[in-house]
Amino acid sequence: EVQLVESGGGLVQPGGSLRLSCAASGFTFNSFWMSWVRQAPGKGLEWVANIKQDGSETEYVDSVKGRFTISRDNANNSLYLQMNSLRAEDTAVYYCARERRLAYWGQGTQVTVSS
Amino acid sequence: DIVMTQTPLSSPVTLGQPASISCRSSQSLVHSDGNTYLSWFHQRPGQPPRPLIYKISKRFSGVPDRFSGSGAGTDFTLKISRVEAEDVGVYYCMQATQSPLTFGGGTKVEIK
Repeated sequence: EVQLVESGGGLVQPGGSLRLSCAASGFTFNSFWMSWVRQAPGKGLEWVANIKQDGSETEYVDSVKGRFTISRDNANNSLYLQMNSLRAEDTAVYYCARERRLAYWGQGTQVTVSS
Repeated sequence: DIVMTQTPLSSPVTLGQPASISCRSSQSLVHSDGNTYLSWFHQRPGQPPRPLIYKISKRFSGVPDRFSGSGAGTDFTLKISRVEAEDVGVYYCMQATQSPLTFGGGTKVEIK
């Protein structure tokens, strides 16, 4: 069974940093692109970033470029999102998902940016 | 960026009756590889989105056959042949043809 479990969310002040993790199991992790998608309170879905199987290619939505970094550790079946210079508008539930077509999703982790 | 526009914003439906949601993209979703990367998702309150359809009309594993997708180019439709109580929630279309991946604004389906 495919499982994706996010962790690392929490409350952080504007300008601060957080590192999200996603533990993957039930499939061959290094065979798939991986993605992060977020959802602000009461709002729709927003794709954040993708990373290729070997980490050689990454893609980001413009609003996070230069602040967020997606990475992966294929040896430990883990996906990461390093978030720096956080803003109030980054407040959201962050989901990791498998593949660019987002075939499987985790339960999400809440990130709140507030003073 | 490709803008995805869904209509209607809200759809009151009767149990057992059909429902239809439209999704229009600001440019063609046909990829250079010939595929059209248009997907549909369903989200209930407090839950992560559930994938329903990919490449316009292919159902993900475990998705009931009352859900169907159709369309081409810039115009796409999700149909539910007979709405069941568990189908309430918000439906989103998404394009993965071009980065950044973009979602429609969502259509809320509720029972009359």
